[in-house]
Amino acid sequence: GENVEQHPSTLSVQEGDSAVIKCTYSDSASNYFPWYKQELGKRPQLIIDIRSNVGEKKDQRIAVTLNKTAKHFSLHITETQPEDSAVYFCAATGYNQGGKLIFGQGTELSVKP
Amino acid sequence: SAVISQKPSRDICQRGTSLTIQCQVDSQVTMMFWYRQQPGQSLTLIATANQGSEATYESGFVIDKFPISRPNLTFSTLTVSNMSPEDSSIYLCSVDRGLAGNTIYFGEGSWLTVV
Repeated sequence: GENVEQHPSTLSVQEGDSAVIKCTYSDSASNYFPWYKQELGKRPQLIIDIRSNVGEKKDQRIAVTLNKTAKHFSLHITETQPEDSAVYFCAATGYNQGGKLIFGQGTELSVKP
Repeated sequence: SAVISQKPSRDICQRGTSLTIQCQVDSQVTMMFWYRQQPGQSLTLIATANQGSEATYESGFVIDKFPISRPNLTFSTLTVSNMSPEDSSIYLCSVDRGLAGNTIYFGEGSWLTVV
C-alpha cells in the first residue's frame, strides 16, 4: 500500500522568510496530493492540492510542486507570517481509492516575529 | 451548510465504556472513511465503510474495538469500545464527492478524552 514520508518534523523560520516542507510517496498510482493545515484544537483544513497532471500550483503565498518521476511533492510558503504557525500534513491518494488518504507524519511550523 | 455533520464534537468518557460517533453526509457516497488522530500525531486511517458490506480495517485496527455501521449511503457510525486513556484522540470521518477527481471533505471531528 501507499506510504508517505514527510520532512522535516519541525521547522522554525523568521517572519518574512520562506518555508519548504517535503513529502515522498511510494505508490506510483497515487495521483492526488493535498496539503492540510491544522491549528491547535482544530481539525485539519485543506490549503492547497495538486493532481498528477500538473507540476506546480500556486495560491497567493502558497505553492505546491510535484515530481512524479521521483515521487515527491513539496509545499512552499513565501513571506511567512506568524499566523502561518501550525502543523502541516501532506497526503496522497489514487483516483481508484475512493478518497482514502494516507498522511505524512506532519511538520510543526513556527514563524517567529 | 456542511457536507458532513459529525457528532458528538467533544466528549469526556469513563474508562471501560463505549461511545458511538455519527457522520451524516448531505448526499450519497459509496465509501466513507474513519480516521484517528492521537495527540501530537498524524491522521491514521482506521477503516473504510461501505454500504451493504463489512468495513475494511487497516492494520492495527480490529472490528471488536472499532465496530462500524453503514446502514445507507449517507450515514455511518464508528464505535470506540471498552475505552482506555490511549483512545483519547480526535476521530474524523471523510468522504470523496469528486466526480472527475478527488474532492475530499472531512467532518468537524470528535474530540474524545478518556478518564
